[in-house]
Amino acid sequence: SAVISQKPSRDICQRGTSLTIQCQVDSQVTMMFWYRQQPGQSLTLIATANQGSEATYESGFVIDKFPISRPNLTFSTLTVSNMSPEDSSIYLCSALVRATYGYTFGSGTRLTVV
Amino acid sequence: TQLLEQSPQFLSIQEGENLTVYCNSSSVFSSLQWYRQEPGEGPVLLVTVVTGGEVKKLKRLTFQFGDARKDSSLHITAAQPGDTGLYLCAGDLNDYKLSFGAGTTVTVRA
Repeated sequence: SAVISQKPSRDICQRGTSLTIQCQVDSQVTMMFWYRQQPGQSLTLIATANQGSEATYESGFVIDKFPISRPNLTFSTLTVSNMSPEDSSIYLCSALVRATYGYTFGSGTRLTVV
Repeated sequence: TQLLEQSPQFLSIQEGENLTVYCNSSSVFSSLQWYRQEPGEGPVLLVTVVTGGEVKKLKRLTFQFGDARKDSSLHITAAQPGDTGLYLCAGDLNDYKLSFGAGTTVTVRA
């Protein structure tokens, strides 16, 4: 199955600043996803990022706050903009591997906004 | 409101005991997946079930998909401390986007 390298693994940021999270997949994948997770809790889908089209956002998430790039079939970034303490969370990317119909996840970015 | 109701939220058992985690919904899923997640890591796929009534076994883990494709269960036989982790069910409504259950934190005591 595909392997995703996600970075940074953690960061502490000042409120009002922005952080860009990167995910690199070791094979070409059509669909990538971005999630948010509070420690020990479930995952909430932020958006779907398909190469060659605009990301589609779930209810409660907007492009101005979470701009996403998907320049090719192996890479995606999520930016958390104008951060506030409420944005403190774990952010995860995921890719759908169609051959196995399995979803692979990055190891997550633990973000703390102070 | 979560699309998938997962229970229990916490499970603490002794090594060697059995456990079952449940996921229920009023929605019909094209597939349902189970993941296990450890602290500081992303979820790791355990199994995907796609056929109503399907039963899959993975060593000491048994997964069932309900006949109507609305519910699923994960049963672990003779649990070991290495089974400790956060277990998550996730369903696909045929749009490739996963809806996750709230998760079950399993602790197996040696």
